[in-house]
Amino acid sequence: GESVGLHLPTLSVQEGDNSIINCAYSNSASDYFIWYKQESGKGPQFIIDIRSNMDKRQGQRVTVLLNKTVKHLSLQIAATQPGDSAVYFCAENGLGGFKTIFGAGTRLFVKA
Amino acid sequence: EAQVTQNPRYLITVTGKKLTVTCSQNMNHEYMSWYRQDPGLGLRQIYYSMNVEVTDKGDVPEGYKVSRKEKRNFPLILESPSPNQTSLYFCASRPAGSGYTFGSGTRLTVV
Repeated sequence: GESVGLHLPTLSVQEGDNSIINCAYSNSASDYFIWYKQESGKGPQFIIDIRSNMDKRQGQRVTVLLNKTVKHLSLQIAATQPGDSAVYFCAENGLGGFKTIFGAGTRLFVKA
Repeated sequence: EAQVTQNPRYLITVTGKKLTVTCSQNMNHEYMSWYRQDPGLGLRQIYYSMNVEVTDKGDVPEGYKVSRKEKRNFPLILESPSPNQTSLYFCASRPAGSGYTFGSGTRLTVV
């Protein structure tokens, strides 16, 4: 992913609504994708992952969708809560899995 | 508790004074990595290691060195820090085929 400057893409949602965060990845050979959540003052935290042989994976309140045709990844958060407010990063591992490349991130605001 | 521990959390230093940021993980992970995070530039990989004595450059390795003499430790060395290395640094580790566990970060200021 490319940097979008100091102003991260921002998504603002009402508490209780569903959130969808999108990400375009860069390498068609990438075979493993991860979503991370970063709260203020902390390191990124693993949320959910998906391998290239899948197109959907569900966790607790989160779902990741992978569309390899258009190199697109999305994170869906159900019933968004104030504690979900953070910056969300997608990341991709290329073949061999040695290098992990992060997208620019999306800031999620949850309005009470 | 499974974790990645990096020290120090905060560091202010002067240009040219060698420094080392330590990183240790207690999860027996094969892979370790250093990232820097800058406003507007996201997380960029500096160096990574696939196992003991096996390291490789990431996207922004200039001005940094690493070593992996033991599986649990992966120190980041700045031989001659410069102001453009002022940043927030994260160490991370992971097993093969999985995502990273990150440390809490080291905020470095070089004056």
